[in-house]
Amino acid sequence: QLQLQESGPGLVKPSETLSLTCTVSGGSVSSRNYYWGWIRQPPGKGLEWIGSIDYSGSTYYSPSLKSRVTMSMDTSKNQFSLRLRSVTVADTAVYYCERLELQFDYWGQGTLVTVSS
Amino acid sequence: QSALTQPPSASGSPGQSVTISCTGTSSDVGGYNYVSWYQQHPGKAPKLLIYEVSKRPSGVPDRFSGSRSGITASLTVSGLQAEDEADFYCCSYAGSNTWVFGGGTKLTVL
Repeated sequence: QLQLQESGPGLVKPSETLSLTCTVSGGSVSSRNYYWGWIRQPPGKGLEWIGSIDYSGSTYYSPSLKSRVTMSMDTSKNQFSLRLRSVTVADTAVYYCERLELQFDYWGQGTLVTVSS
Repeated sequence: QSALTQPPSASGSPGQSVTISCTGTSSDVGGYNYVSWYQQHPGKAPKLLIYEVSKRPSGVPDRFSGSRSGITASLTVSGLQAEDEADFYCCSYAGSNTWVFGGGTKLTVL
């Protein structure tokens, strides 16, 4: 059974960089059939797609976040990562990693990242 | 790229049917067969309910069904049960390997 687990700091200061890692078990991030990515949900609000990365390392980002986002993949560790630069309080959210195959079929449990000084 | 439009809330009594709409544009909902629906209970990760407009993953009850007409997709929950009370989100492919979600609908079982 495929499982995804987010990890990273739960508190980030304004203007700094948010960094999260998703560890995949029960499947391979090197699979050519899927994309892997991130979705976030501010407290009490809806879901927002952040971006995706494929097996070759090609990345696709939300137009609204593109200038601040970088995603990468480490196939040796079966992990992929998110970096979001210059964060503000508006970036406070639960961040989910997920697998994408024309639909988001597997999700991590989510990790709350709070932006605060 | 704007969020898809969903009603903020919907409700129904046990056993009834409820339909939740999701309106986009010809560049997302109306342009691709990649509309999906997700159910989210409080404090939990979203769960895939419907994909490719009307397909159900294995394990999802057939009480949940999806459809589309033009730029509006719909999720129908038939035979409402107490455990169906949750937030529901639609999502569509929007071209150029990008995706857009709806704002979410809170379903209350009366």
